[in-house]
Parts: sequence; structure tokens; C-alpha cells
Amino acid sequence: QSALTQPRSVSGSPGQSVTIACTGTSSDVGGYNYVSWYQQHPGKAPKLMIYDVSKRPSGVPDRFSGSKSGNTASLTISGLQAEDEADYYCCSYAGRYTEVFGGGTRLTVL
Amino acid sequence: EVRLEESGGGFVQPGRSLRLSCAASGFTFDDYAMHWVRQVPGKGLEWVSGISWDSAGIGYADSVKGRFTISRDNAKNSLNLQMNNLRAEDTALYYCAKDLTGVVLIPESWGQGTLVTVSS
Repeated sequence: QSALTQPRSVSGSPGQSVTIACTGTSSDVGGYNYVSWYQQHPGKAPKLMIYDVSKRPSGVPDRFSGSKSGNTASLTISGLQAEDEADYYCCSYAGRYTEVFGGGTRLTVL
Repeated sequence: EVRLEESGGGFVQPGRSLRLSCAASGFTFDDYAMHWVRQVPGKGLEWVSGISWDSAGIGYADSVKGRFTISRDNAKNSLNLQMNNLRAEDTALYYCAKDLTGVVLIPESWGQGTLVTVSS
């Protein structure tokens, strides 16, 4: 159960696009289509942004999109807005009723 | 509206026990799996444990296996986490989360957390 690997930080200017990668193994990200992404603002609980690799819950803007190739999942945020500045975490089902999170990525909107 | 309210956190010495609870409302509790996720203040999220709607499927992180026990009472709409032999590294904010499905797959809605501090 090793944590998924995410970049510690990414940044972009308003209106630009950024992509956050999440790398695991064939036992988690590569083995299941149950990757989810969470946004967390300081002092707040995480919010589900993407599930099942690329599905958006109701109310999440379509600027947020997800994808997966092999053992790496990605979250892309297009048309960056100031309110997107937050920490982002990926999560994957890892078999036998277990989950594993990534270490988190701090998104800075310049 | 989904509402999850954690309780039971506090200050405890290493080696002692603590029991966390999560009161759920706003949804049909026994249709959904549930999770416990923790976060050291200023650090990342760590999944701790999950339980399916019928308690038939239960999983634990390696870091807590053998020390923590997850359980649920569908009649009382409550989720519990019994934490034994606590260590300093268990210090964290513990979140209760509802899954999207009846099995352990996708934490969806989260409570505000209860803080556990393990220290001598």
C-alpha cells in the first residue's frame, strides 16, 4: 500500500490549463477504473471532483476532466480560475476493499 | 443533504484506546459503504479503513491493521472506528466519508473530522 505519486506543486495563470499526474501500479491505478480526484481548500473537508477516472459529480464544472493511461491517471483543469487554487489528491481502489491516496498537489493560480 | 458528524476524538496517551463515531443523516445509510480517512494537519490524506453496506467487505491500511476495527450499525445510522494500541503517528484529523456505492470504491461525501492527538 504505497501512496500514489503526485507532483508536490503545479501552477498556472488564469485562463490556462494545468494537468496533475498521479502514478501508481498495476495493483491500483492500472488495475481498476476507480480513480477519483479531490479538491481541498485550507481548513475544509475534501470535495469529490472526478470519479471512475473521468466522471464528474453533479455541480462540478466541466473545466475539470480526468483520464488514465496505464498506471498513470491525470486531472486536467482548463480555464483556470482563482478559486481553483487548492490542494488536489488522487485516490485509487487497490483491491480487497482498500484504497490508496496520492501525496497531494498544491495548485497555485498565478 | 448528506450530513456526517464525527465524534470521539481527543487527547490520549500512547498505547491507549479511543473509539470514534460518525452519525449519518440525509441518505439511506444502509445502501452505502463508508470510509475513515485521516490527515495530519498540514499533510496529505491517508485512507484508514472502509466497510461495505452489509459489513461483509472490510479493508484496512497496513499502518492500522491489527490495531483498528471498523464497524457500522445500520439500525442507528452510525459508523465506528475502535482504535487500540495508539501511537504518536496516529495523531491526525479523522474524517468519516460516505461512498458513492454500496461497496468500498469511491469516498464521496465527507464530514468535518474529529481530531485525535496521541502523546505522552
